[in-house]
Amino acid sequence: EIVLTQSPGSLSLSPGERATLSCRTSQTVNSRYLAWYQQKPGQAPRLLIYGTSTRATGVPDRFSGSGSGTDFTLTISRLEPEDFAVYYCQQYDNSPAYTFAQGTKLEI
Amino acid sequence: QVQLHESGPGLVRPSETLSLTCTVSGASISGYYWSWLRQPAGKGLEWIGRIFTSENSNYHPSFKSRVIMSVDTSKNQFSLKLSSVTTADTAVYYCARVFGWELDYWGQGTLVTVSS
Repeated sequence: EIVLTQSPGSLSLSPGERATLSCRTSQTVNSRYLAWYQQKPGQAPRLLIYGTSTRATGVPDRFSGSGSGTDFTLTISRLEPEDFAVYYCQQYDNSPAYTFAQGTKLEI
Repeated sequence: QVQLHESGPGLVRPSETLSLTCTVSGASISGYYWSWLRQPAGKGLEWIGRIFTSENSNYHPSFKSRVIMSVDTSKNQFSLKLSSVTTADTAVYYCARVFGWELDYWGQGTLVTVSS
């Protein structure tokens, strides 16, 4: 099973600042298989990025994804108040099909 | 607009079977994979399994011995049954649509508590 590790576990920033979230995988992952989600308290996760760098429908362009191999990054260029949430990376593999990292909490 | 809604008992006794249904609107359930996931309070997301048809499903190895998923195309619903539950199965359970290699539409989640 591929293990995903996000860093940092939490990140304190201010609106307008740039956020850089890291996701490392224990084995090389096909870049098509790496996604990012945003989850706010009491809500379901929301798909932000898939295929490492493609924004899902309706996701603002201040969100961008990059990376390859075992190192992937989610960048939020200029934080808006509504961006403070928990972010998860997720990868697809044979078994189990979907695994998630433990999350990064982005705090004001 | 695709919407998913989980329903089922919020309280299940230990050793019994947890049963949840996900009703899909805005899209046909046919032609897609559909998944169940869960999230214990304050913790991360755990994938349980996915189903395409009742004959085409696969499960996380950790759940394989006690999970069954099914699809009812006439009702545009799919279901989860998790047997022999313990307090460790207490979590918010989500249903979601599989889109490629990720999950694009999610239900709002339903809390299931395992307690006597």
